[in-house]
Amino acid sequence: AAGVIQSPRHLIKEKRETATLKCYPIPRHDTVYWYQQGPGQDPQFLISFYEKMQSDKGSIPDRFSAQQFSDYHSELNMSSLELGDSALYFCASSSTGTGNYGYTFGSGTRLTVV
Amino acid sequence: AQSVTQLDSHVSVSEGTPVLLRCNYSSSYSPSLFWYVQHPNKGLQLLLKYTSAATLVKGINGFEAEFKKSETSFHLTKPSAHMSDAAEYFCVVTHGSSNTGKLIFGQGTTLQVKP
Repeated sequence: AAGVIQSPRHLIKEKRETATLKCYPIPRHDTVYWYQQGPGQDPQFLISFYEKMQSDKGSIPDRFSAQQFSDYHSELNMSSLELGDSALYFCASSSTGTGNYGYTFGSGTRLTVV
Repeated sequence: AQSVTQLDSHVSVSEGTPVLLRCNYSSSYSPSLFWYVQHPNKGLQLLLKYTSAATLVKGINGFEAEFKKSETSFHLTKPSAHMSDAAEYFCVVTHGSSNTGKLIFGQGTTLQVKP
């Protein structure tokens, strides 16, 4: 079965650079969520999209932005990167029909800022 | 507001002995509760989910959890630990009264399994 695809798997950037993370949800899933997991931390909700519109916003820095495209894939754009942005970034998807019961996470993108 | 508290940050058991990972929740609504497992450098895998159909929920790999409203608990158990169970475990609750929307994670419990 198709899963949530995230790319790239690993990314190394320097301070003040920009990064773009991509997420491809499970087909027919209409909702995408982004989470950030720092070293030794639990995942923290960043932002979510339903039918290409932002549906909820969490602790996402102003330097970050995200969007969901017409094909339902989503991109998380991160600018002016800081050392503290080094983390594992998860994308998850679900459909309103199954909601949290059908919530599926991708394998994550590990971002290292040096 | 919804929240979960995992009572142990680290649990160590011997292979073949029972596992108990404790979780208490706080919710203004009837919650949806989940347990996720994360192996080192891996993504999050759903172990089981409470859907209000039955208070005893069976998951993958022999894990199960019991929803106890009177104790606001959702502890995860397994009768016999395997070495492959060593991982980080997260108790998770949905935010809000619906079954959509963001998930709120507990702080995580590291399970160590000794030979």
